[in-house]
Amino acid sequence: EVQLVQSGAEVKKPGESLKISCKGSGYIFTNYWIAWVRQMPGKGLEFMGIIFPGDSDTRYSPSFQGQVTISISADKSISTAYLQWSSLRASDTAMYYCARSMGIEVVDPFDIWGQGTRVTVSS
Amino acid sequence: QSVLTQPPSVSGTPGQRVTISCSGRSSNIGSNTVNWYQQVPGTAPKLLISSNNQRPSGVPDRFSGSKSGTSASLAISGLQSEDEADYYCASWDDSLNGPWVFGGGTKLTVL
Repeated sequence: EVQLVQSGAEVKKPGESLKISCKGSGYIFTNYWIAWVRQMPGKGLEFMGIIFPGDSDTRYSPSFQGQVTISISADKSISTAYLQWSSLRASDTAMYYCARSMGIEVVDPFDIWGQGTRVTVSS
Repeated sequence: QSVLTQPPSVSGTPGQRVTISCSGRSSNIGSNTVNWYQQVPGTAPKLLISSNNQRPSGVPDRFSGSKSGTSASLAISGLQSEDEADYYCASWDDSLNGPWVFGGGTKLTVL
């Protein structure tokens, strides 16, 4: 079965760092893009960035490349993608989803989604 | 404010047909395909329609998609109670807004 399994919920304080994960299984991890999508409480889906684990080609949304300090990476040896923050803010409180592209092209839609990781940032 | 524009809500009664619109611009919908996602509250999104009008395996044919110019639509016929969910359109964007952009989402209520 093709699936993405994300790491568990996190509760952090402002200024702390965090790295959440997304492990793929049931398919060749290096042949598909992995995207990260944010959903703030009661709000819609926001694309953050996307990585091709085969060569680590990474693209970020301009909304997340400037003020928000995030980084997307992947370790193909363990079929896992990561989303990390160097300094969390209260406004990073959200559910974060990883999603796999349907094909090898970066423009392919996302057909497999992780279950989501809830991140709460509060002092 | 989302790059793609959707109505915040639509509603219908069981058996009815409803449509959800998604408006964009030349850099996204105008030059790339549109995908639709369904999100039942409390669950992860699910791919509903890809490449403007393609239904992935398992998606009922009550769901259909179309695109014209810089706009797209999702139609749901024979509305059922389990269709109550949030629906999002998405498209690749060739401009600095990209790479991927989502609509703000539309909440479908089945009365």
